[in-house]
Amino acid sequence: DTGVSQDPRHKITKRGQNVTFRCDPISEHNRLYWYRQTLGQGPEFLTYFQNEAQLEKSRLLSDRFSAERPKGSFSTLEIQRTEQGDSAMYLCASSLERTGVHEQYFGPGTRLTVT
Amino acid sequence: AQSVAQPEDQVNVAEGNPLTVKCTYSVSGNPYLFWYVQYPNRGLQFLLKYITGDNLVKGSYGFEAEFNKSQTSFHLKKPSALVSDSALYFCAVRDYKLSFGAGTTVTVRA
Repeated sequence: DTGVSQDPRHKITKRGQNVTFRCDPISEHNRLYWYRQTLGQGPEFLTYFQNEAQLEKSRLLSDRFSAERPKGSFSTLEIQRTEQGDSAMYLCASSLERTGVHEQYFGPGTRLTVT
Repeated sequence: AQSVAQPEDQVNVAEGNPLTVKCTYSVSGNPYLFWYVQYPNRGLQFLLKYITGDNLVKGSYGFEAEFNKSQTSFHLKKPSALVSDSALYFCAVRDYKLSFGAGTTVTVRA
């Protein structure tokens, strides 16, 4: 399967701990996005990369959050000093952006529970 | 800011009946509109998109959507619903990112 993959699928952590999620996009996709989805809501944009450059960050992305895409391939999203309000599904998506407007392909998500 | 609204939290239909999921949009400039479907414990799956051209867009799994500029709507339709279409449906508008509606839960009863 050559779709977007995310690891882990589920993470339970205690408040105050740090967590890191990984996303592997579809091969050769040059854009990678992170979204957060809470129960009963649509996904909300967090940040995105064009190759290895982080081009935009939402105001939702507090200074406890950091994302990287060091070689323009996989990406990591780290949350430091987790809070209960961080509990959500974290979704990664990728797209191949050249000319035109292209759809984003989503991974299965990482469900974070902060206790 | 670009946004979409899905006025119905839930849609219930009988199998074999037509299915419509409503979406309205608010954008400055040309709208780039998308529909995604989400099954339990799975990521979002792309169904279809409107960029320009024909107002009727055909997508995956027999779904289609009608773009209506005067009503600023982009409703998702399927002529004959299946039980397996039961899922959560999201409308979205795109600039560099996707901005999603709150979602509509579709239940198709046998």
